[in-house]
Amino acid sequence: NAGVTQTPKFQVLKTGQSMTLQCAQDMNHEYMSWYRQDPGMGLRLIHYSVGAGITDQGEVPNGYNVSRSTTEDFPLRLLSAAPSQTSVYFCASSALRGRDYGYTFGSGTRLTVV
Amino acid sequence: TQLLEQSPQFLSIQEGENLTVYCNSSSVFSSLQWYRQEPGEGPVLLVTVVTGGEVKKLKRLTFQFGDARKDSSLHITAAQPGDTGLYLCAGVSGSNYKLTFGKGTLLTVNP
Repeated sequence: NAGVTQTPKFQVLKTGQSMTLQCAQDMNHEYMSWYRQDPGMGLRLIHYSVGAGITDQGEVPNGYNVSRSTTEDFPLRLLSAAPSQTSVYFCASSALRGRDYGYTFGSGTRLTVV
Repeated sequence: TQLLEQSPQFLSIQEGENLTVYCNSSSVFSSLQWYRQEPGEGPVLLVTVVTGGEVKKLKRLTFQFGDARKDSSLHITAAQPGDTGLYLCAGVSGSNYKLTFGKGTLLTVNP
């Protein structure tokens, strides 16, 4: 089925380890973004991209890197994991066409940093 | 930073009751989106409203965008247990397409 695919679904890291959260979409969407969802904080934007080769920071970018080498993929890299990065991470994409466009979200990656 | 305040934060009602969820901001948005999220899943888009005063209906759900494009409401008629979930509003402003989310309303509809 078409949509946004995130892997892995669950991950446990030790403090200081690095890892990459994968996000792929097969809808040819220009816009892709990463959010983290924490209790009481809602969804907060980490990084976003309006097309291949273009990325920009969101509200909470520290500790995370992104790249967009293809339209389909938008990986999120944690360089040195910290307990404060324990969260549920969502990738979202959009075609940004028409006045009433919306965003398609993946099913999330639950990350625990110990 | 533009903020979206949602109320109430929690809502527990009986099947068949009506309810309204509010989403308010001091900022103007070019459009406002409503999502529903179920446990262990990502948010799913319900509707996007674009024009001030716009009303959209999705079966038993009615969405309204305020005239000044600063607020929105979601009204559910005759709620059913299948309506249980976290309802999120999100605003789009500016030319960078970034979504600003409210913290959500957790709705429980008891049979």
